[in-house]
Amino acid sequence: EAGVTQFPSHSVIEKGQTVTLRCDPISGHDNLYWYRRVMGKEIKFLLHFVKESKQDESGMPNNRFLAERTGGTYSTLKVQPAELEDSGVYFCASSHPGGGWEKLFFGSGTQLSVL
Amino acid sequence: AQRVTQPEKLLSVFKGAPVELKCNYSYSGSPELFWYVQYSRQRLQLLLRHISRESIKGFTADLNKGETSFHLKKPFAQEEDSAMYYCALSGGADAGGTSYGKLTFGQGTILTVHP
Repeated sequence: EAGVTQFPSHSVIEKGQTVTLRCDPISGHDNLYWYRRVMGKEIKFLLHFVKESKQDESGMPNNRFLAERTGGTYSTLKVQPAELEDSGVYFCASSHPGGGWEKLFFGSGTQLSVL
Repeated sequence: AQRVTQPEKLLSVFKGAPVELKCNYSYSGSPELFWYVQYSRQRLQLLLRHISRESIKGFTADLNKGETSFHLKKPFAQEEDSAMYYCALSGGADAGGTSYGKLTFGQGTILTVHP
């Protein structure tokens, strides 16, 4: 079974530029989550998709961040314009729908550096 | 507000020694608690969850509601246990039952097991 795939693995951009991160969840997983770990801090929830719908975007830092999941398959997270404090590792995770708890399957993450 | 605290950023033990990674949480309802682990150059993955009450790779964790703790223990550490360990909490049904995968993470503990 293919795991959660994230692209790119690393991205280095300058402040003010735009970056788009992509996540391909495990096939059949309706739930897709974005998380972020800023250096020295804990991993924090950003948002949750159920298929193509945003279920919870309470963790999105501000309106410079835009997440989409067209067709309910892969998702993109765009940062425009990027700021220095956006640097960190962005993780995507997916899970199979069902009643009760969910086992999250994480991608390898995208290391974003904003200079 | 929910919060997870892992007081130790770094923990070093020798092979064969017991190890305990501490985790305390604050949550007003009935949380689901998890331990996730990230080995070197691998993805973040679920190690165990409190409800299953199982032992994975020799690790166990007991939820102590009185002390609001969920410490991870292993009686005899092995070199391959060296990794970053994250304690995480899900509000589960208390969060409306729609976002079991919305996790609150602790800052993580880097465990190093020396030969």
